[in-house]
Amino acid sequence: GIQVEQSPPDLILQEGANSTLRCNFSDSVNNLQWFHQNPWGQLINLFYIPSGTKQNGRLSATTVATERYSLLYISSSQTTDSGVYFCAGDRGSTLGRLYFGRGTQLTVWP
Amino acid sequence: DTAVSQTPKYLVTQMGNDKSIKCEQNLGHDTMYWYKQDSKKFLKIMFSYNNKELIINETVPNRFSPKSPDKAHLNLHINSLELGDSAVYFCASSQRAGEAFFGQGTRLTVV
Repeated sequence: GIQVEQSPPDLILQEGANSTLRCNFSDSVNNLQWFHQNPWGQLINLFYIPSGTKQNGRLSATTVATERYSLLYISSSQTTDSGVYFCAGDRGSTLGRLYFGRGTQLTVWP
Repeated sequence: DTAVSQTPKYLVTQMGNDKSIKCEQNLGHDTMYWYKQDSKKFLKIMFSYNNKELIINETVPNRFSPKSPDKAHLNLHINSLELGDSAVYFCASSQRAGEAFFGQGTRLTVV
C-alpha cells in the first residue's frame, strides 16, 4: 500500500496564528483530499486537490503531485479550527481506496 | 439534506451479539465504502462496493459482512461481536475514484 506521513502530529496555537500542515506520500497518488475531523467526530471535506492550489476562506491547499506532497495552510486560526486534520489519496487503479495519514491534532486556544 | 447518512450514531452492545449498521447516500454515487477508525484515530478501509459489486475486501474477519441492496445503500453486519471490534465505523461514497464523502460515523462499543 501507500504510506502517508503527516506532520506535525500535534500543533498547539493561539487564536490568530497561521500554520502549515504537510502530507507526504510514498508513491504517486490520485484524488488527494484533506479532511477535518471536528471534536464531534465528523469528517468534513476541506479540499479535493489532486494537483495545484485551491483556496477556501482562511484555508488553502497546494498539492505538488510530481513530488508526492501536499500542504494545508490555515491562516488566522480560530478555536473552531481545532480537531484532527487528515490527508488521504488513492492510487486510481483501486477505485477510490483511500490511504490515510495518521493526522495532525490541532488545538487552538483563545 | 444529509449526503451520506448512517445509523445508528452510537451502538453499545454485549460481546457475542450480532449488530448491523446502515448507510445510505443520496449523491448518486456508484461506489460506497466502509472504513474503520481505531482508538488512535487511524482510518483504514474495510470494504468497497461499486454498483452493488464487492471490489475491495481488506483483511477483515469473516464476522463482518457487507451487503449492498442497491447503489444507494451499503450495510454492515457484524456477527459475534468482540471487545476488539470497538471503534468508529464510517461509511463513505464517491463517483468511481472521485472525491469521497463520509457519513457521521457510528461509534460501536462492545462491553
